[in-house]
Amino acid sequence: AQKVTQAQTEISVVEKEDVTLDCVYETRDTTYYLFWYKQPPSGELVFLIRRNSFDEQNEISGRYSWNFQKSTSSFNFTITASQVVDSAVYFCALSPGYSSASKIIFGSGTRLSIRP
Amino acid sequence: DAMVIQNPRYQVTQFGKPVTLSCSQTLNHNVMYWYQQKSSQAPKLLFHYYDKDFNNEADTPDNFQSRRPNTSFCFLDIRSPGLGDAAMYLCATSRQTSGVTKNIQYFGAGTRLSVL
Repeated sequence: AQKVTQAQTEISVVEKEDVTLDCVYETRDTTYYLFWYKQPPSGELVFLIRRNSFDEQNEISGRYSWNFQKSTSSFNFTITASQVVDSAVYFCALSPGYSSASKIIFGSGTRLSIRP
Repeated sequence: DAMVIQNPRYQVTQFGKPVTLSCSQTLNHNVMYWYQQKSSQAPKLLFHYYDKDFNNEADTPDNFQSRRPNTSFCFLDIRSPGLGDAAMYLCATSRQTSGVTKNIQYFGAGTRLSVL
């Protein structure tokens, strides 16, 4: 079964706090890709990161960082020093195995609210 | 500059009245996707075009059809909209080559459909 679980439905923090969004995935494929997308109130899904299953190196991009651990099937996303503009719904997603197109399985999303 | 453009942003239709949503792209990507996203849910893939090949998801109702007259444009036709079809409809594109590479999907801002 292919599945992405984002257990945190909603998170609310005060501006400048650090916040971590959890993502756990299930797949039997040895080759797969993981993604994070951001969906602000405007509705557009914005690509944040892609990671393939053979690359467990963590990544940092400005205030954003990602922790990929195959041993626990997790791909968590941390925002450091959060800002009001980070308020959005964040989706973790999985693209498993070989297919003719980049079909994506989305998690249910985490709604992040940053309070001033 | 917008790369995946969806028109209109908001569409109101009457129960049972056919409606067409449009998507265009300037990325020259060979794959185009249509997703349905209901409130507080993850996007759900309806179908995708890999070049000219149409790929329908097994659980997509027959009420939903799609056309791709050329690389740049793709249309979503809802033949007889019901109240349950009110949702955000997202178009996405990706460049896919043969093999395992899972290319990133780029999304438009979506069309929010209301059914009266």
